[in-house]
Amino acid sequence: EIVLTQSPGTLSLSPGERATLSCRASQSVRSSYLAWYQQKPGQAPRLLIYRTSSRATGIPDRFSGSGSGTDFTLTISRLEPEDFAVYYCLQYGTSPPRLTFGGGTKVEIK
Amino acid sequence: QVQLVQSGAEVKKPGASVKVSCKASGYSFSGYYLHWVRQAPGQGLEWMGWINPNSGDTNYAQRFQGRVTMTRDTSISTAYMELSSLRSDDTAVYFCVRVENNWGQGTLVSVSS
Repeated sequence: EIVLTQSPGTLSLSPGERATLSCRASQSVRSSYLAWYQQKPGQAPRLLIYRTSSRATGIPDRFSGSGSGTDFTLTISRLEPEDFAVYYCLQYGTSPPRLTFGGGTKVEIK
Repeated sequence: QVQLVQSGAEVKKPGASVKVSCKASGYSFSGYYLHWVRQAPGQGLEWMGWINPNSGDTNYAQRFQGRVTMTRDTSISTAYMELSSLRSDDTAVYFCVRVENNWGQGTLVSVSS
């Protein structure tokens, strides 16, 4: 079973700063089936990035994803006020399909 | 557009069962696995299992084996998740999910005596 570890647990930054979030897998993620979600209180998660680096429809280009194998990164180039939220990575590449979520990174206003 | 609409909030006593529904629209219901994910208050996301709406095959996370049952009714494009022997730590929001992009709005299940 793949385990995803996200770091840091909390990231304290100011608007306009760059955010770098890490997601490390215990074994290689097949075919880069790694996604990133943003979640705000009381809402369902919102897809930002799928297949490691493809932006979902309507997602601003300040969000980017990269990585391969066991190490993946979500970068927010310049934080906007609406970007302060919790971010989760998800792997969905196993067969039969199983979803594994990381524990989340909270991006908070410094 | 793709939509997953879930049933409303539930309040249950310990030991009871709950059945949450997820009605799909805007796509071929039988063509995509539906997963169930839950989120306890202030906690992360936890995968519970999936159903293949085409065949009815299911696969459950080990920690829910024996307590969860996922079914579907293809005539009304609806999937169901039933969790039995409820405990207080089953209090959570339950989501149905069509990977990658489509989530239901969530159903709060509260378990309290």
